[in-house]
Amino acid sequence: GQNIDQPTEMTATEGAIVQINCTYQTSGFNGLFWYQQHAGEAPTFLSYNVLDGLEEKGRFSSFLSRSKGYSYLLLKELQMKDSASYLCAVQDSNYQLIWGAGTKLIIKP
Amino acid sequence: GAVVSQHPSWVICKSGTSVKIECRSLDFQATTMFWYRQFPKQSLMLMATSNEGSKATYEQGVEKDKFLINHASLTLSTLTVTSAHPEDSSFYICSASNLEGDYNEQFFGPGTRLTVL
Repeated sequence: GQNIDQPTEMTATEGAIVQINCTYQTSGFNGLFWYQQHAGEAPTFLSYNVLDGLEEKGRFSSFLSRSKGYSYLLLKELQMKDSASYLCAVQDSNYQLIWGAGTKLIIKP
Repeated sequence: GAVVSQHPSWVICKSGTSVKIECRSLDFQATTMFWYRQFPKQSLMLMATSNEGSKATYEQGVEKDKFLINHASLTLSTLTVTSAHPEDSSFYICSASNLEGDYNEQFFGPGTRLTVL
């Protein structure tokens, strides 16, 4: 079966760094997405990885290791507005997105 | 980036009535549109995938006669929840994709919150 695993909840302090991990087992792989979702809103795109390595975009970076079926999202200089759920999703061989359950990130002052 | 709109953004209806939700891609032609449902504190669940001009492909456990999907053009897809019941109350999100670009990114609409009384 297809499976995406990520922690249910994480807590971090404003100004700090947090890493959200995602492991996956899917039928085929055409890329991995990270989305941010604030409560009551639709997901917004953060990053896309299809090749191994680190993709940096401002305060957010995403890493992929295809051989390990592993990705992480790194958030630096945390701000209160970063409190949200972070969803990992893998595009399978049919280009459908397989979603993780999301990681709720709580930022404390 | 590409913009996808949904209408209405929220709707309250009585049990037994039908509700139609529209999903539009405003600045690109969407060859494929997806409909998701999200219950509180749960992940997105794909309901169906639709390609313009053809019948939607429903995920296992989703009743196609209850959730009618029409993708009549490359910019519009509709989801009709027929004979809605309180258990259908949920956040419905559409996304749109085309086959151009480096990857088949899905662009999400803002979602529609349905409450069935």
